[in-house]
Formats: sequence, C-alpha cells, structure tokens
Amino acid sequence: DTEVTQTPKHLVMGMTNKKSLKCEQHMGHRAMYWYKQKAKKPPELMFVYSYEKLSINESVPSRFSPECPNSSLLNLHLHALQPEDSALYLCASSPQGGLAGRWTQYFGPGTRLLVL
Amino acid sequence: GESVGLHLPTLSVQEGDNSIINCAYSNSASDYFIWYKQESGKGPQFIIDIRSNMDKRQGQRVTVLLNKTVKHLSLQIAATQPGDSAVYFCAENMEGYGQNFVFGPGTRLSVLP
Repeated sequence: DTEVTQTPKHLVMGMTNKKSLKCEQHMGHRAMYWYKQKAKKPPELMFVYSYEKLSINESVPSRFSPECPNSSLLNLHLHALQPEDSALYLCASSPQGGLAGRWTQYFGPGTRLLVL
Repeated sequence: GESVGLHLPTLSVQEGDNSIINCAYSNSASDYFIWYKQESGKGPQFIIDIRSNMDKRQGQRVTVLLNKTVKHLSLQIAATQPGDSAVYFCAENMEGYGQNFVFGPGTRLSVLP
C-alpha cells in the first residue's frame, strides 16, 4: 500500500459544529503532516507529527486540534471554525521526520472543507 | 507563453514541445528543493528533487536546474504531453529545520493539442 487516504473527501460544516478529518497511511512512515491549501495558492504547513509526537505547530489557531493516535493515523479536530477556514486540507506522510535529514512527503487527495 | 497577475501564473505549451517552469526561492540558506505536480482534485505528487551541492539533476523526461547565485530553480519537461497539465510547485527546505518545506506560489501548465 503506497498511498495516503483521507476522509471525508468533502465536508460542509457550520461555525458551531465540531467535526474531524481523518488521514491514514500504511507505508510504515513515522512522520505525518497537515497542510492547508486555499484556492490558487500553495499548501501551507500546519502541523508535523514525528514518531507520534507533535514536533511543529505553525502558529495554527486553537480551533484546529491535531491528534496522532498511532503511527498510521492522523486526525484534525475542528471546532468553531470561521468561513475563512474553508480550504483543501491535505495530509502527508514521510518515512521519517525530525530535524535531521530530508524525506519525500507523500500527499493524500485532501478534504475539501466549506464552513458556512 | 506565460502570464502572471492576480491569478496563478499560467504557462501554455504545444503538445510535444519542451516546457520550462521557473521558480524564484526565498531563502539563500535553503539547501534542498523539490518539484511537485498537483493535478485537479489531487494532492501534490513528488516529481524530482535536488540538493544545493548539485546544479542539475535529471529524471525521466524531467530536468531540474538550480542556480544558487540568483536563487532560481527551473523544471524542464521534455516532449510535453496532455497528462502533464497541472499546477507545479517548487518547495524549499533548510538543513536543521526538519521537514518544514516552504512552497512557492505555483505555475499552471496548460498543454495545447
């Protein structure tokens, strides 16, 4: 299995809702990432988990809460989002993380989120 | 030709021609670079990478050139095909900063029949 899967593909939520995005990989990768991508813009890094520990949080608002239950799964919990949070949320994984070395990131197809 | 403005820069090429996509990176200390291809409805897909101790690297139908003096990266695609139509991003990384890649603004490649 050489892919990163994300569910759901599309999500519409109100500003008072709580929802979660899920990401899964079975490549044995030890680093996983959340990116946010607005239309016609490049992906922007939100969070990095390395060996199931949060290693990078790019000053993301607390209404986004990541969770890494195990090395294959990554969740992004959403609460009280704003319309400007509407975007494509991409998950990625790489063989390793950490400060040393550079590792190719493999991206999932993304979840397209619309906040009303 | 190439157009730049409020929208994503677009490069239009005829099928069979060679394409050259350019990227100006921001950090002179960056020492590792990746080109990604993103098709509509999909996540970015790795194409080729290059480290700063090289100025050229070739893959299958693709070549990446790195000019550190002017902080410029280019992706050359030989014999462009309709399946090459996508948005292309360069991404830069710096030693010691882990897996924090900064993506460039992207260029849309449109292949004309």
